[in-house]
Amino acid sequence: GDSVTQMEGPVTLSEEAFLTINCTYTATGYPSLFWYVQYPGEGLQLLLKATKADDKGSNKGFEATYRKETTSFHLEKGSVQVSDSAVYFCALSDSYKLSFGAGTTVTVRA
Amino acid sequence: EPEVTQTPSHQVTQMGQEVILRCVPISNHLYFYWYRQILGQKVEFLVSFYNNEISEKSEIFDDQFSVERPDGSNFTLKIRSTKLEDSAMYFCASTRTSGTSTDTQYFGPGTRLTVL
Repeated sequence: GDSVTQMEGPVTLSEEAFLTINCTYTATGYPSLFWYVQYPGEGLQLLLKATKADDKGSNKGFEATYRKETTSFHLEKGSVQVSDSAVYFCALSDSYKLSFGAGTTVTVRA
Repeated sequence: EPEVTQTPSHQVTQMGQEVILRCVPISNHLYFYWYRQILGQKVEFLVSFYNNEISEKSEIFDDQFSVERPDGSNFTLKIRSTKLEDSAMYFCASTRTSGTSTDTQYFGPGTRLTVL
């Protein structure tokens, strides 16, 4: 079945550091790929998405490119802020349900 | 901006009791979902619901679980006889259009269920 493998955390960074969270997937069809973020005490919010190969999703300085050849959708941000501290989930949808990765906890220190 | 709401935010119950978790999806959305996240584990799909019917359900969604859209706004998840292992965060989600893979699912803040 469909699955997502996500970089294990936790990740601790200093402000203005570069962030990468690796995500790879296994799917039989042509999935859409998503990054969701969960801030402390809140629900899951869509951060960005890509629906076909070579698409780049971007939002709030975060980017991820749908790489079919490497079955990856790595999340990057060039300069993180304390407010980016959250849990980040990679997910795929091959029908109308989402399959999530385990989540990566990111803590950004001032 | 419209959002998915869930009540209660935290529910504590005794093993064997019935619980109903409530969700109000975004008003013009058509597909509705429940997911759960056991502490320290992945977010898992439970069920999807469209046009007053279950569209798809996971192996987790056994006879102890049921969903209902009792009126034009609420979407509920009922657990008939709770077990300790049902303790988890339960998320409701909805999508605007036909529920294809490209649609964005909008999530509520979750209900934390604790079974004692």
